[in-house]
Amino acid sequence: EAGVAQSPRYKIIEKRQSVAFWCNPISGHATLYWYQQILGQGPKLLIQFQNNGVVDDSQLPKDRFSAERLKGVDSTLKIQPAKLEDSAVYLCASSQHPERTDTQYFGPGTRLTVL
Amino acid sequence: GENVEQHPSTLSVQEGDSAVIKCTYSDSASNYFPWYKQELGKGPQLIIDIRSNVGEKKDQRIAVTLNKTAKHFSLHITETQPEDSAVYFCASGNFNKFYFGSGTKLNVKP
Repeated sequence: EAGVAQSPRYKIIEKRQSVAFWCNPISGHATLYWYQQILGQGPKLLIQFQNNGVVDDSQLPKDRFSAERLKGVDSTLKIQPAKLEDSAVYLCASSQHPERTDTQYFGPGTRLTVL
Repeated sequence: GENVEQHPSTLSVQEGDSAVIKCTYSDSASNYFPWYKQELGKGPQLIIDIRSNVGEKKDQRIAVTLNKTAKHFSLHITETQPEDSAVYFCASGNFNKFYFGSGTKLNVKP
């Protein structure tokens, strides 16, 4: 079974520029998550989708971050404009059963450096 | 919201020794406690998990214990090997919302 795919793996941008990350979850997984992992810390949830609807975006800085999951499969996370403090690894995860607490499977992440 | 504390932040053991990592949580509604291993440049990988109706679970050299009354759970790795060196994260979850600890960097010396 293929795992969670993410691209790009690395991205370097200047502050105030825009950037977008892409995620393809495990086939059949209804729930998709975007996490931010700052160096030396655990992952922090940014947004959670169930199919193509948002379940939780309470930790998403909505003035600069946006995310969508059209057709309930792939998802993109965008930052516009980027700040220095956005430098982090952005992890995508997916889980199968939305009706109960379920294992989350993570992708390899995208390491973003903002200069 | 939930608060998960993880200790120690770094742990160095000799190959063959045991390693123990401890976590506490604050939300009594949490009912799922996974442990993830993260190697450099990779995403977290689930190594073991436990649900709130179970006190202990074992998978070969890895075991997890849960004390719901005290709100703490622990990861035990026996007979450590150099390939166990990584950062380990605990998490507590309730209906798919996970809160992660700050991580433990485990170094197994050959």
